[in-house]
Amino acid sequence: DGGITQSPKYLFRKEGQNVTLSCEQNLNHDAMYWYRQDPGQGLRLIYYSQIVNDFQKGDIAEGYSVSREKKESFPLTVTSAQKNPTAFYLCASITGGGANIVSEAFFGQGTRLTVV
Amino acid sequence: AQSVTQLGSHVSVSEGALVLLRCNYSSSVPPYLFWYVQYPNQGLQLLLKYTTGATLVKGINGFEAEFKKSETSFHLTKPSAHMSDAAEYFCAVRSITGNQFYFGTGTSLTVIP
Repeated sequence: DGGITQSPKYLFRKEGQNVTLSCEQNLNHDAMYWYRQDPGQGLRLIYYSQIVNDFQKGDIAEGYSVSREKKESFPLTVTSAQKNPTAFYLCASITGGGANIVSEAFFGQGTRLTVV
Repeated sequence: AQSVTQLGSHVSVSEGALVLLRCNYSSSVPPYLFWYVQYPNQGLQLLLKYTTGATLVKGINGFEAEFKKSETSFHLTKPSAHMSDAAEYFCAVRSITGNQFYFGTGTSLTVIP
């Protein structure tokens, strides 16, 4: 089945450590996104990538980094510079679409990151 | 710039009652509009979307939404709430010229037996 896989589902990080969240899709989608979700704040965009080897900062990119070496993969690294990383992280993708096609965003199941 | 406002962060309804979740957008050009549902510790699942054409859009699980350009609204409704409808609901917009999605802050729906 096609879809987006995020791993791990739960992740614990010690203060000062970098951690990497995985996001893989087999939908052949061009664009991929990382969102952070905190209670009462909805989804906030961290980074997005429209094509391989290119990515753009979103609204809250500080303390995060990404790479897009393959179309299927868009890992997110939460660095030690992110002072409040405890949150639910969601990866999404959309197809480039085409004439008369408006695609929705497809989401993974999320990774809950907790700093201990 | 696009933005989405969801009125009411928490909504409670009795089982069998009408569900109404409100969403207003701000955009000089009507965008594409979406409603998503999220169950605890899960990703977002598409309920329905409006792109062009008929302004009343039907989605999964008996939900529907009506695009009203004059009111810049896209409210979500369901005639009769079911216990399984208890979840977080997000309204989102996407500009017609790009791939950016903008989400509202969400509405948590509680269904009272």
